[in-house]
Amino acid sequence: DTGVSQNPRHKITKRGQNVTFRCDPISEHNRLYWYRQTLGQGPEFLTYFQNEAQLEKSRLLSDRFSAERPKGSFSTLEIQRTEQGDSAMYLCASSLMTSGGAGQFFGPGTRLTVL
Amino acid sequence: DAKTTQPNSMESNEEEPVHLPCNHSTISGTDYIHWYLQLPSQGPEYVIHGLTSNVNNRMASLAIAEDRKSSTLILHRATLRDAAVYYCILRGPNNNAGNMLTFGGGTRLMVKP
Repeated sequence: DTGVSQNPRHKITKRGQNVTFRCDPISEHNRLYWYRQTLGQGPEFLTYFQNEAQLEKSRLLSDRFSAERPKGSFSTLEIQRTEQGDSAMYLCASSLMTSGGAGQFFGPGTRLTVL
Repeated sequence: DAKTTQPNSMESNEEEPVHLPCNHSTISGTDYIHWYLQLPSQGPEYVIHGLTSNVNNRMASLAIAEDRKSSTLILHRATLRDAAVYYCILRGPNNNAGNMLTFGGGTRLMVKP
């Protein structure tokens, strides 16, 4: 296993279109996180899953955003009716459910540009 | 979450040691101290973490003050590939709390040849 993978790496879309991103975590990791990062800022938490259950969502995650992890393995993040403000790097991370000592392992991200 | 404070940027010369400071004066007794780095156009990468004792791994060392209100990430010999943004993050111990990472602005390390 080579780590967390994300697809696509880049996505350019027009305002109003829907987009979907995929994340494949490290296989034995039961926690999966989505973050968003805009230029010059640190990543911001969006949501996380423990196995297939979505346990927390940030207030940054508007109604146009939905995430799933149907079998507790890969996850998808969909953005409906994209807006220019959605342009950002979307990062996925996975970890084991342990105490706060566990590191999170990040994928390379999907860079979204909304025209 | 307890807050961390880091300098916005630091400069180092290649092959010299680098000490990246982090203040976390409101840290609770059970918060872990984590460090991540982020190279341009890549996702963050876990570097090291600790609770009370100093820690060493192949990437770096983490020195934690006795009162735990500050810590220092030490790169023993900076290389050009170490030029990145370094984030110091506190994480609580609760397994059920999600333990998502709260990133601040980090320290941008520049390494001069």
